[in-house]
Amino acid sequence: KNEVEQSPQNLTAQEGEFITINCSYSVGISALHWLQQHPGGGIVSLFMLSSGKKKHGRLIATINIQEKHSSLHITASHPRDSAVYICAVGGTSYGKLTFGQGTILTVHP
Amino acid sequence: GAGVSQSPSNKVTEKGKDVELRCDPISGHTALYWYRQSLGQGLEFLIYFQGNSAPDKSGLPSDRFSAERTGGSVSTLTIQRTQQEDSAVYLCASSLMPGDEQFFGPGTRLTVL
Repeated sequence: KNEVEQSPQNLTAQEGEFITINCSYSVGISALHWLQQHPGGGIVSLFMLSSGKKKHGRLIATINIQEKHSSLHITASHPRDSAVYICAVGGTSYGKLTFGQGTILTVHP
Repeated sequence: GAGVSQSPSNKVTEKGKDVELRCDPISGHTALYWYRQSLGQGLEFLIYFQGNSAPDKSGLPSDRFSAERTGGSVSTLTIQRTQQEDSAVYLCASSLMPGDEQFFGPGTRLTVL
């Protein structure tokens, strides 16, 4: 079993829909990261969180440390949100990341 | 520059040749990480630098892989006697301090024929 599990692996939505991507991990962590990777593009950090909830524009990330679970929500999804979303956990104080397998999101107009 | 840069962006080499991949982190960032993204393995950690030291090199897959960082800035990842299984995108990331948010470079796509 992988240390970081994401679900779903693939997600298709219509423009405007509310999106949720889930991440569960099995190790102790110092922080959890949500990353975005567009096709053929580089990796962009969306959120880094160790407790509670963060919001940036239409994106919201939450984490429950006790349940070892995090969610990434996208409100009013748009085709430009189509990308791979990757959950990664930092299990050390120096930030070495262990990655989930990614969720491929496709938003249709 | 404003972000992390890597060179070359693409590298095609023949099996058995050596390759060097370069990473220029964001100026002032003390922590530097190398990761690898391949179809079969996803994203995986290779090595971490704090300044010029590499306290964690546990992800290097074999002794054909080595890395160094000089001047607390530029880092080079060297792969000797490349094999086809080394084909992947090699990503570099840096952070201001260890454990901070990481900023990723565009990657080097390595193809070993």
